[in-house]
Amino acid sequence: AQKITQTQPGMFVQEKEAVTLDCTYDTSDQSYGLFWYKQPSSGEMIFLIYQGSYDEQNATEGRYSLNFQKARKSANLVISASQLGDSAMYFCAMRETTSGTYKYIFGTGTRLKVLA
Amino acid sequence: DTGVSQNPRHKITKRGQNVTFRCDPISEHNRLYWYRQTLGQGPEFLTYFQNEAQLEKSRLLSDRFSAERPKGSFSTLEIQRTEQGDSAMYLCASSLGGNQPQHFGDGTRLSIL
Repeated sequence: AQKITQTQPGMFVQEKEAVTLDCTYDTSDQSYGLFWYKQPSSGEMIFLIYQGSYDEQNATEGRYSLNFQKARKSANLVISASQLGDSAMYFCAMRETTSGTYKYIFGTGTRLKVLA
Repeated sequence: DTGVSQNPRHKITKRGQNVTFRCDPISEHNRLYWYRQTLGQGPEFLTYFQNEAQLEKSRLLSDRFSAERPKGSFSTLEIQRTEQGDSAMYLCASSLGGNQPQHFGDGTRLSIL
């Protein structure tokens, strides 16, 4: 069964430092998509970055980059130059395409706290 | 782009009552998703629509839950005979499909007394 695993319930990082949030996934699909979302305490889910299973290069969006290691089935999020506003829950998600449906599975999240 | 709109933002009701939530997706998005999120967990898939067709419904969803998307625009999620365990945040998201990301609404928080 498809599954997303985020093993870090909580992480701390010093302001201006880089931090890596781990995500591993399990799927038998050849074609799939991996997404990262940020959820601040206010509750809204904010899309950060996307990686397709056939993309050869790691995705980057500003201070966010995705360290995609297909053979290891990992899709870690790297946040560079952390800011206080980065403190939030971060969710890794996978889009399944089995049987032509487009269902998303989310991990349990990692709570990031940026320290001044 | 006015974003995904959900209402109400909060709903408090007594156990056994029926509740209905509404989601207005981004206008050009043909896919619409409903999720449930409890404290400390990630969003849990409930159901999704492509245009007006409901293409998948979670097996975890009991028969008390029903969703519609008439005319492929807004969607409603109804919970009948609410139970304590239904207390959660109900999130709606829409997308263009393919590699495009989902855009989420602010959610409806349901509290069952």
